[in-house]
Amino acid sequence: DAKTTQPPSMDCAEGRAANLPCNHSTISGNEYVYWYRQIHSQGPQYIIHGLKNNETNEMASLIITEDRKSSTLILPHATLRDTAVYYCIVRNPGGGADGLTFGKGTHLIIQP
Amino acid sequence: AAGVIQSPRHLIKEKRETATLKCYPIPRHDTVYWYQQGPGQDPQFLISFYEKMQSDKGSIPDRFSAQQFSDYHSELNMSSLELGDSALYFCASSLGSGGYEQYFGPGTRLTVT
Repeated sequence: DAKTTQPPSMDCAEGRAANLPCNHSTISGNEYVYWYRQIHSQGPQYIIHGLKNNETNEMASLIITEDRKSSTLILPHATLRDTAVYYCIVRNPGGGADGLTFGKGTHLIIQP
Repeated sequence: AAGVIQSPRHLIKEKRETATLKCYPIPRHDTVYWYQQGPGQDPQFLISFYEKMQSDKGSIPDRFSAQQFSDYHSELNMSSLELGDSALYFCASSLGSGGYEQYFGPGTRLTVT
């Protein structure tokens, strides 16, 4: 799986959009970008994934650059409950039931 | 919606004892994953099963073993427990081996004294 780089921490004001960047410059053509988050001591939670097109669901939007070397997770209206560690993971889903490789992630703190 | 169930939620064992953690995947999910998260660390993948066969193996110690049963539930067996085994153990499940989305349980907190 390609290596990812994320800032260790970010702050965002409640009600504003939170934009979390991820660098994955060594991503290969069959690898997807996944985002998970972990609220303190809870099980990680799947957020969204994408290959090359921008994706949106009820939780977030994922913007992937045209060269696929970086991406941004957008939480459109952050709330205090969005305070968590956010993990950007790159993997090939065709590789079978492979485990996820969690890097250091970004600790997002939503300020009231 | 039904989620992944893990039992027990908390477990206290002494060094050199054995422990068994159980995981019940979301109904119709046929793939199970185990992860270990030490204090202040990120989750580390241990092992996965698809259709009752071991699929992928991560940093699982030789003292640990796991299996998936015919009803798709899974058990993680840990022997000769060490202080360093104290951690949160998460189970996740997915539908199919493609693993687009893994759904995690609430975890079992194991404390070894």
